[in-house]
Order: sequence, then structure tokens, then C-alpha cells
Amino acid sequence: DVKVTQSSRYLVKRTGEKVFLECVQDMDHENMFWYRQDPGLGLRLIYFSYDVKMKEKGDIPEGYSVSREKKERFSLILESASTNQTSMYLCASSFSDRAEQFFGPGTRLTVL
Amino acid sequence: GNSVTQMEGPVTLSEEAFLTINCTYTATGYPSLFWYVQYPGEGLQLLLKATKADDKGSNKGFEATYRKETTSFHLEKGSVQVSDSAVYFCALEPNTGNQFYFGTGTSLTVIP
Repeated sequence: DVKVTQSSRYLVKRTGEKVFLECVQDMDHENMFWYRQDPGLGLRLIYFSYDVKMKEKGDIPEGYSVSREKKERFSLILESASTNQTSMYLCASSFSDRAEQFFGPGTRLTVL
Repeated sequence: GNSVTQMEGPVTLSEEAFLTINCTYTATGYPSLFWYVQYPGEGLQLLLKATKADDKGSNKGFEATYRKETTSFHLEKGSVQVSDSAVYFCALEPNTGNQFYFGTGTSLTVIP
């Protein structure tokens, strides 16, 4: 079974802090994704990566950056956390284009 | 552009009732269509998919048929159980690129 793990289930940070969310997949998938999930808005794509060191902006990249130094790991970085970044963050991976995405359990981030 | 519109929730049904969750999409070309389910406290998991017109995806008693003429992919189940209580997301992946587009989700509660 594909496994996508995220470093924390719950995280509480203060405004202005730098926040790292880590995601690891164990199935040698090419593509990895970061979404945020908010009530009434569904899932919105922040960034995705189709290869090591490659990244593409999604629909809402402002205030976020990403890093993919190894194929299995995709990190989301909040350079200076703000209260409007309080959300559920979901990581996903897929083997290739037009393939199923596998999701991690999510990290619920609260920024105070 | 690409987008997914799904039925507003929440939906509350009694056990053994018939379920329909509507999903319509806008896309260029021939997208793949998906239904994902999110159980409380978990990430999303694939429920079923269809990759071309008239395909029927099915899993765990759920079905959805890819209708190109009506640009729809409605989710149905003949007899819901309490364990089906979850949030259901309709999604599409265009035939170019690897970005998914998700609907806003429909919350289903099944009462005994």
C-alpha cells in the first residue's frame, strides 16, 4: 500500500514564525502536491512538484514556498506565518499524470 | 477553465436510504473524473474513478457514471450505512497536465 505521511497531525504556531510542514511518500511517486482545505472552499492547490528540485505554483501560492530535495520528500514552508494561514494542510502524491492521487492524513495548523 | 461544482451539504439520511450526490464539471477535452471520500480525522482516499465517457466507476456499493453530454459524474448508493458518514469530494484531472480540481465537498451523515 502507498503510504503518505505528514510530520505532524496538529501544530500551533505564532504569527511571524517560520513553519515547516513535511511530507514523505514511500512509493517512488513522481508527483507531489500540497493543498489546503477550508470549510466551504474544498481543497485548493498551493504548490506541486513533478520531479526533484522542480516546482510549480498552484492556485494559491502566496505566502508559501516549497522544497523538494529528494524524490520522496516534499516540504511546505510558511516563511512568516499569519492567522489567515490557519487551515488543514494535505499532502498528496501520484505516480504520473492522470493517475490517482494518494493523500496523507493532514496537518491541522493553527496560527495564533 | 476547469472547475467542479458539487451539491451543497450537509446531507442527512437514515440508514438504508438511497444516496445521490450531484457533481457537474467544466473542462476542456476529456478529463478523468474521481470521487474521493474523507472520513473524520483522516486524509482523502479514492472511492472510484472514470477515465472516459460512459465509463462507470464503482466501489463499496457506490457508483458514478461519466456523462459527457451532461458534463456530470453523480455519486449514487442504493442503501447507505452509518459507516458511510464522511465528506465526499468530486474531482477532475484534465487530459493535459497533472493538476486536480476538487469540488467543495459534501458532508454526509447517516443516522441509524
